[in-house]
Amino acid sequence: EDQVTQSPEALRLQEGESSSLNCSYTVSGLRGLFWYRQDPGKGPEFLFTLYSAGEEKEKERLKATLTKKESFLHITAPKPEDSATYLCAVQAFYNQGGKLIFGQGTELSVKP
Amino acid sequence: ETGVTQSPTHLIKTRGQQVTLRCSSQSGHNTVSWYQQALGQGPQFIFQYYREEENGRGNFPPRFSGLQFPNYSSELNVNALELDDSALYLCASSPSGTGAAGYTFGSGTRLTVV
Repeated sequence: EDQVTQSPEALRLQEGESSSLNCSYTVSGLRGLFWYRQDPGKGPEFLFTLYSAGEEKEKERLKATLTKKESFLHITAPKPEDSATYLCAVQAFYNQGGKLIFGQGTELSVKP
Repeated sequence: ETGVTQSPTHLIKTRGQQVTLRCSSQSGHNTVSWYQQALGQGPQFIFQYYREEENGRGNFPPRFSGLQFPNYSSELNVNALELDDSALYLCASSPSGTGAAGYTFGSGTRLTVV
């Protein structure tokens, strides 16, 4: 069964304290792995799509990497405005349409 | 360019009632997907509509149904509401052929069943 597991469930950082979020996945043929940011009461906001092992993408203080079994979202020198829930999702080749399978998310809190 | 608009933003219903949630797609997007997000969980795929036809469905019972209209807007209908249906319901639209890579999510409808 296709599955996505994120860790940790919650992460508290001091401003400037770099860290990484983990996304482990099991899928029959990965079409794409997605990272989203979700603020309270809002819909997910797209961050990155990764398609193959070894791929990396960066955006401001965020960098996403992908292996055959997991993805990491590295946060460098975070700021309080980076506080949000970060969601990881996978899409399989066999899925009809655009079905995404999400993990439960990592709730990140960055204190000044 | 407008984004994805969902209505209403909040809704309280009684167990056993029926509810209709609405979604207006982003301009140029002809595919709409619906997700259910329980508190503290990731979104779960309900179904997707393309050209007014359902073309993918997750593990949800038949009392969850949908429609897509010629202008690509969409409705999610839930019959015989249960307490466990309380969740944030998200709509995502995307252009044809992009799949999830083209998703734009709305802000959701918060449904509370009492």
